[in-house]
Amino acid sequence: EPEVTQTPSHQVTQMGQEVILRCVPISNHLYFYWYRQILGQKVEFLVSFYNNEISEKSEIFDDQFSVERPDGSNFTLKIRSTKLEDSAMYFCASSGGGGADEQYFGPGTRLTVT
Amino acid sequence: AQKITQTQPGMFVQEKEAVTLDCTYDTSDPSYGLFWYKQPSSGEMIFLIYQGSYDQQNATEGRYSLNFQKARKSANLVISASQLGDSAMYFCAMREGPAGGGNKLTFGTGTQLKVEL
Repeated sequence: EPEVTQTPSHQVTQMGQEVILRCVPISNHLYFYWYRQILGQKVEFLVSFYNNEISEKSEIFDDQFSVERPDGSNFTLKIRSTKLEDSAMYFCASSGGGGADEQYFGPGTRLTVT
Repeated sequence: AQKITQTQPGMFVQEKEAVTLDCTYDTSDPSYGLFWYKQPSSGEMIFLIYQGSYDQQNATEGRYSLNFQKARKSANLVISASQLGDSAMYFCAMREGPAGGGNKLTFGTGTQLKVEL
């Protein structure tokens, strides 16, 4: 069964460093998303992406964040200069569009900023 | 106002019993969808069930069913014949706007379910 994959599963970085989180969405899906979950809290939307551009972003998704689909399969989230409060689980998700509405999540990348 | 409210931070149920996890929502959009996800201790988010605002019948997927009461704006998840493997955090989420449009999900705070022998 097709699934969303994410790498790495865990990333530790120092404050101020850049990180890139990688995702491979389900191959025939059209919409891609990033969410985050701070430990013990609810899942929060960051950004959605369709047709090679951002469709919507939350207030969390400030200038430090960017997304890219560099090729036909990968979808990346870059945090330019990490802060302690960026420590969280980051989930990538994808959905098919055209009435197929379920968003399938990847296993997540746990980002720890020290 | 919260868009998704889950009022039960924790629930216990005995194995083989049914359990209902509550979810109420708030939207003025006539077109929306409601989702339930399971998050085991390993952390992944597993899609369980979906209900569209225009669906006439309650959604069912195996042991999961969604008790959709539109007038009350509730979308409770019912798990029948609970199993030990059902122990997890359960999140209710809502999409506002038409299906298939790539709209974001808004999540509730979750309910931690523990299934006991």
